Amino acid sequence: DGGITQSPKYLFRKEGQNVTLSCEQNLNHDAMYWYRQDPGQGLRLIYYSQIVNDFQKGDIAEGYSVSREKKESFPLTVTSAQKNPTAFYLCASSIGGRGSYEQYFGPGTRLTVT
Amino acid sequence: GENVEQHPSTLSVQEGDSAVIKCTYSDSASNYFPWYKQELGKGPQLIIDIRSNVGEKKDQRIAVTLNKTAKHFSLHITETQPEDSAVYFCAAGRSSGNTPLVFGKGTRLSVIA
Repeated sequence: DGGITQSPKYLFRKEGQNVTLSCEQNLNHDAMYWYRQDPGQGLRLIYYSQIVNDFQKGDIAEGYSVSREKKESFPLTVTSAQKNPTAFYLCASSIGGRGSYEQYFGPGTRLTVT
Repeated sequence: GENVEQHPSTLSVQEGDSAVIKCTYSDSASNYFPWYKQELGKGPQLIIDIRSNVGEKKDQRIAVTLNKTAKHFSLHITETQPEDSAVYFCAAGRSSGNTPLVFGKGTRLSVIA
């Protein structure tokens, strides 16, 4: 069963702790993306990766970090430097190559930091 | 860079009526325009997309129209049903160059039975 998985579905952390969100895909897609979703804000791009071992900052990268050591995996770390980390985080992937092919989204992780 | 505006932010329709959501974009080089449906607590699902070489595309009760000159595109849902209730996002992007999609802020559609 092909698709994108994100885990866990709900995540709770104390303020000041780093936390890593998992994203895995078995679609053989080259490109992967992380978005943050807040009420009324739509989808805001955090980081994206068009190929293994390479990634670029999106519109709101401050306080986040990523790695892309494997084609299938694109974990996102929310660091203690992120001032308002509570949000719904969505991972997506696409075939990649040159341009904006269809993006497929995972089910999301809801992070709550108190 | 690209900027996508989406209207309205909320929309309520009676079951069986039509719903229209409109988006405008700023980058004339954008040539790929998908629409996503997001149900509560889930990730967005691609429901239809259009490329700039066509002006309209239909899939059963859903259609998308594109006006490249005016830089706007619209989603049309006919014969709405309660299960159409969700948040809908439009997006714009290029099929050349490695630039990600840019999304609108979403429209919350409520279909009243």
